[in-house]
Amino acid sequence: DQQVKQNSPSLSVQEGRISILNCDYTNSMFDYFLWYKKYPAEGPTFLISISSIKDKNEDGRFTVFLNKSAKHLSLHIVPSQPGDSAVYFCAASSRGQNFVFGPGTRLSVLP
Amino acid sequence: NAGVTQTPKFRILKIGQSMTLQCAQDMNHNYMYWYRQDPGMGLKLIYYSVGAGITDKGEVPNGYNVSRSTTEDFPLRLELAAPSQTSVYFCASSSGRDRGGYTFGSGTRLTVV
Repeated sequence: DQQVKQNSPSLSVQEGRISILNCDYTNSMFDYFLWYKKYPAEGPTFLISISSIKDKNEDGRFTVFLNKSAKHLSLHIVPSQPGDSAVYFCAASSRGQNFVFGPGTRLSVLP
Repeated sequence: NAGVTQTPKFRILKIGQSMTLQCAQDMNHNYMYWYRQDPGMGLKLIYYSVGAGITDKGEVPNGYNVSRSTTEDFPLRLELAAPSQTSVYFCASSSGRDRGGYTFGSGTRLTVV
């Protein structure tokens, strides 16, 4: 039973447009969420986080939204750039440790 | 800064062989983790450690062992390799305080044939 789901295995977006990556979770004890970005042959790298006390966190072109009642979060990338093409993992935890990862969404930004 | 270093990057094992995946970090992080990633799946936690001398099982520990004799090193041992252990293995570390996520190594791709 997957506690963290990313239902879109892949997403293609035109350069300059918005990319929206979605993530759903089932465990109501999760209170801290991260997004990671992974390029081929590299380990995941931390992108942005959000705590359950917030519903939005912004860092440059990246914004994460959290809807606790729906157990849903999303990552918005605006504007999308070809260098954003990667696999994006959503991860969730209770109290910031032992994160549970989703299966990832492969984003392709087309020039 | 080397960060988290994993060796080897690639390995092919025969069924029943054993090997150790090495992981070292130079950030003085107390927390270290081993994950495996299977195709189309998220990272699954195998073992973790909250400090030297302390280890604990994660979600999928069967077939693996770990030790943490120093803060820097967290090797993962596979005994009697099975095809089901074919995967990409990632080691990660964190300070446990900043909640900013983990620093991951670049991974070890293991194939058991």
